[in-house]
Amino acid sequence: DAGVIQSPRHEVTEMGQEVTLRCKPISGHNSLFWYRQTMMRGLELLIYFNNNVPIDDSGMPEDRFSAKMPNASFSTLKIQPSEPRDSAVYFCASSRGQGDEKLFFGSGTQLSVL
Amino acid sequence: SQQGEEDPQALSIQEGENATMNCSYKTSINNLQWYRQNSGRGLVHLILIRSNEREKHSGRLRVTLDTSKKSSSLLITASRAADTASYFCATSGTNDYKLSFGAGTTVTVRA
Repeated sequence: DAGVIQSPRHEVTEMGQEVTLRCKPISGHNSLFWYRQTMMRGLELLIYFNNNVPIDDSGMPEDRFSAKMPNASFSTLKIQPSEPRDSAVYFCASSRGQGDEKLFFGSGTQLSVL
Repeated sequence: SQQGEEDPQALSIQEGENATMNCSYKTSINNLQWYRQNSGRGLVHLILIRSNEREKHSGRLRVTLDTSKKSSSLLITASRAADTASYFCATSGTNDYKLSFGAGTTVTVRA
């Protein structure tokens, strides 16, 4: 099993640019999560999908952030336009069942917005 | 917002010693989980303990849960340099299935 795969591993962009982060969950997992990690705020849950449907997006900071899961094997997190305060490590995680089961995390995308 | 709060924030121990860290939470939970994060990597699941369980073991790890005190502890016995990492507790509430993570305990094991 390849695990949760995220791309890119690092992203450096300029303020105002669009950023798209990608995630491939583990095959057979029904739940997918996007988390953001910063020193100041720790790990924050941004959005949670179950069976490709967004269940809870209350953690999405503002309208500049959007997430999609067009099928069971792919999800994207988009920031448009990006701002320096969006700089963080973004993690994707998946789990077999409901959101409170064991999570498998990807290696993360280190985003720097200049 | 973070549900779990780990204590201490940082811990430095000698190889071979035991490391203990605690997690306190505010509301009733379905389960509590512990994760490890090595520098620059994603989180790795260590152990899950359900609200009706009091203690669980996995290799050199021992987790306890006291729901009356809303607290959990993670004990790493006979620590190794490879145990150097940040350790996070995560809880899911009884009314939802989201996992909320604490701020973590950074453990340094000195050779």
